[in-house]
Amino acid sequence: AQTVTQSQPEMSVQEAETVTLSCTYDTSENNYYLFWYKQPPSRQMILVIRQEAYKQQNATENRFSVNFQKAAKSFSLKISDSQLGDTAMYFCASLNTGNQFYFGTGTSLTVIP
Amino acid sequence: DAGVIQSPRHEVTEMGQEVTLRCKPISGHDYLFWYRQTMMRGLELLIYFNNNVPIDDSGMPEDRFSAKMPNASFSTLKIQPSEPRDSAVYFCASSPIAGTYEQYFGPGTRLTVT
Repeated sequence: AQTVTQSQPEMSVQEAETVTLSCTYDTSENNYYLFWYKQPPSRQMILVIRQEAYKQQNATENRFSVNFQKAAKSFSLKISDSQLGDTAMYFCASLNTGNQFYFGTGTSLTVIP
Repeated sequence: DAGVIQSPRHEVTEMGQEVTLRCKPISGHDYLFWYRQTMMRGLELLIYFNNNVPIDDSGMPEDRFSAKMPNASFSTLKIQPSEPRDSAVYFCASSPIAGTYEQYFGPGTRLTVT
């Protein structure tokens, strides 16, 4: 089974600043996918960004980017120019070819005005 | 597209009662997943279906839980009898293709068992 570890239960950042959320995972698969999901107070799970393990280039999506270190099995999320609407729980997840999602325990991010 | 639809959004019931949660996946998605989210255990996969067939139910906590998918557009998760420790948010998600695509989540059902 895969495991996903998020070692930061809570984080805060000043509005307009940059913050990085950490995630490590453990898998024996060669082909897998990694995701960051955002869960605001509304509870809706929203996909933030997606990374294919076979791609060396780090995924970016507007203000969101990842630092994917395959050898280290690390997949951190960087949020630039933080906005108040970024306040949410952020979940790191891995997906293997067996279609099993494995979620981390989440990081609660608060953006401070 | 309306996205994944779940009902009810909130459910409060007494211990021992039967609870049925409902889900309508995104049209054309072949995979449907049921998750439970609690503060203590985070997000847990309970069961998932492919083309209406249950593939892996190893996450179903016990026999009190059952899930069905009678057709491609509807699934239910039933708890009978319910217990206070079943209180959680239950998410349904769907995905078009195995192994490569993100899952699209519904808004969740917050279940409270008193």
